[in-house]
Amino acid sequence: GAVVSQHPSRVICKSGTSVKIECRSLDFQATTMFWYRQFPKQSLMLMATSNEGSKATYEQGVEKDKFLINHASLTLSTLTVTSAHPEDSSFYICSARGLALGQFFGPGTRLTVL
Amino acid sequence: GQQLNQSPQSMFIQEGEDVSMNCTSSSIFNTWLWYKQDPGEGPVLLIALYKAGELTSNGRLTAQFGITRKDSFLNISASIPSDVGIYFCAGRPGGGGADGLTFGKGTHLIIQP
Repeated sequence: GAVVSQHPSRVICKSGTSVKIECRSLDFQATTMFWYRQFPKQSLMLMATSNEGSKATYEQGVEKDKFLINHASLTLSTLTVTSAHPEDSSFYICSARGLALGQFFGPGTRLTVL
Repeated sequence: GQQLNQSPQSMFIQEGEDVSMNCTSSSIFNTWLWYKQDPGEGPVLLIALYKAGELTSNGRLTAQFGITRKDSFLNISASIPSDVGIYFCAGRPGGGGADGLTFGKGTHLIIQP
């Protein structure tokens, strides 16, 4: 149980385009989903917290207009990187939390912006 | 914001040896979690700790939630090659709410056969 999927697993895009990443909880309902970013050889940094049906809460320093988060259902959250630039290239990982206290992570999405 | 100090940063050990790593914080955490991350993949939960003083095992792994609620350790006994990877501690500060996790910087475990 507690499987979280992400799509796509890898994406390469041109600078200035927008990229959407999906995060799904496959076998449980996620009341809260989280988006993290991880640069090479570094730890995970929380970007935002997403609750179903409400606006996401962004961490300090994360631009909400650049990283659009939509949590339309209890099993799906999306992160859209708008007008992507090379410095946005990173490993984006979502996690989902249900009624239990554990937090389960997706496999990550490798974004490369050319 | 909250910060976790994880040590050591990396470990080079022989197969069969025991491993110990820990995390400390200047503030109280109500939940401590230990994850393992392989390259290019998301973190996988190893052990979750919810009470101060709690000692929990998962196979060869043992973790404890420090009594002060400001630290936790993870031990791996009799290491094997598949234990190689990066281990992260993570904590959730306070309230039992839906706060995102704060991660340590990771311990890179390298095992020499």
